[in-house]
Amino acid sequence: RKEVEQDPGPFNVPEGATVAFNCTYSNSASQSFFWYRQDCRKEPKLLMSVYSSGNEDGRFTAQLNRASQYISLLIRDSKLSDSATYLCSFSNDYKLSFGAGTTVTVRA
Amino acid sequence: GAGVSQSPSNKVTEKGKDVELRCDPISGHTALYWYRQSLGQGLEFLIYFQGNSAPDKSGLPSDRFSAERTGGSVSTLTIQRTQQEDSAVYLCASSLAHRVEQYFGPGTRLTVT
Repeated sequence: RKEVEQDPGPFNVPEGATVAFNCTYSNSASQSFFWYRQDCRKEPKLLMSVYSSGNEDGRFTAQLNRASQYISLLIRDSKLSDSATYLCSFSNDYKLSFGAGTTVTVRA
Repeated sequence: GAGVSQSPSNKVTEKGKDVELRCDPISGHTALYWYRQSLGQGLEFLIYFQGNSAPDKSGLPSDRFSAERTGGSVSTLTIQRTQQEDSAVYLCASSLAHRVEQYFGPGTRLTVT
C-alpha cells in the first residue's frame, strides 16, 4: 500500500458547486496533517492544517478520520480561482510526506 | 516578509555536467528541506537540515547528490555528473523549529539534455 493515496481526478465542477475529495495514509503514527494547493508550474502553498476536531477556513473545510486513516477537503461555492492541484501531506516527526495531488478544475 | 528564495529559476545543463542549486530560507526558520518533483508526480523528500544537527540525507537518490547548509541559513544542493533522469523541479522549503508547516520556494526547474 502506498504511503499516501489521492484520487488524481480531475474533478471538473461548475462555479458555485461543492467539491470534496479524500486522501488516505498508511502510517497510523502520523500526527500532523495538511492540505497544500499547487498551481500549474508553481510551488505548493499551505492551504490549511487539519485538526482532529475538523476545521474550517472560509469556504474550505478539512476533516480527519483517524480510524479510517484519511483526511478530506471540501470546497463550497467553488470559484474559478480554486482551480489547482491539492496535495495532502502528513508527518509523524519533522518529515512531511505528500500525495501526488488531486486536480480540481472549476468552469464558468 | 520575504519568503523562501531559490536560484536559478531555470537551469539547462548537458548530461555529465555538475550543477548547484541555491536556497535562501525564510529569516528565522531553522529547518530547511529539499524536495524533488518530477512531472505529474508528488514531492520526493531529499534532505533535511535542522540547526546544527546532522542532516537527514535519507532521501538522496544517489551519491551524486549532496547538500550543505552554511551558517544555518543558505543551502546549496549539488548534483554531480547529471543524468537525464535528474530532470525535475527542485523545491526548497523551510519551517520554524519544532513546527511542521513548511513554506516552499518557487523551485529550480532543471533540464538535463
